[in-house]
Amino acid sequence: QKEVEQDPGPLSVPEGAIVSLNCTYSNSAFQYFMWYRQYSRKGPELLMYTYSSGNKEDGRFTAQVDKSSKYISLFIRDSQPSDSATYLCAMIDYTGTASKLTFGTGTRLQVTL
Amino acid sequence: NAGVTQTPKFQVLKTGQSMTLQCAQDMNHNSMYWYRQDPGMGLRLIYYSASEGTTDKGEVPNGYNVSRLNKREFSLRLESAAPSQTSVYFCASSERRAGGGWNEQFFGPGTRLTVL
Repeated sequence: QKEVEQDPGPLSVPEGAIVSLNCTYSNSAFQYFMWYRQYSRKGPELLMYTYSSGNKEDGRFTAQVDKSSKYISLFIRDSQPSDSATYLCAMIDYTGTASKLTFGTGTRLQVTL
Repeated sequence: NAGVTQTPKFQVLKTGQSMTLQCAQDMNHNSMYWYRQDPGMGLRLIYYSASEGTTDKGEVPNGYNVSRLNKREFSLRLESAAPSQTSVYFCASSERRAGGGWNEQFFGPGTRLTVL
């Protein structure tokens, strides 16, 4: 069983829809939770991160962490065609001096006009 | 400020050939990482270097070697390429956080490698 599970999609939604992306994990030692966005043929770029449980909002994006259920979510409001990308969840069990990330497989999102 | 750069962008190898993937960062980061990305597998850590002069294995190190040439550069070498190493390779860097916590990893544009 993978440490981090993520539905690969693809997920297709119309412009303006609310999108919900989710990951589950098994390692209770994970402390930091991130969402990366990856456009086609590009490297991932950090979208949001949260520490421990709770919600964090940034514009149209909301990240939610429920450590008791080992479940994280990313909500995108008023989705735009420019949001079409692969979204990767990532987590870290911080040890030592290097930040070793564990990634989900990514969910491919397509926002249509 | 170029961030993280990788060369080459594309490469085709025959089984058994060797090659080195180059990575450089201009953000004065201490830590650097090599990942591979495969369909259905996500990004997996191959090797990392917490600081200049140190390297450690990640999740999938077999078949690879790395060199932290200096603070800026971190190379990944395939000594005898195999078709199973066909993948997209990403280099990343982050600042080192001595007191704990986490720092954002910045990724390069990737190298697409095909081994025939």
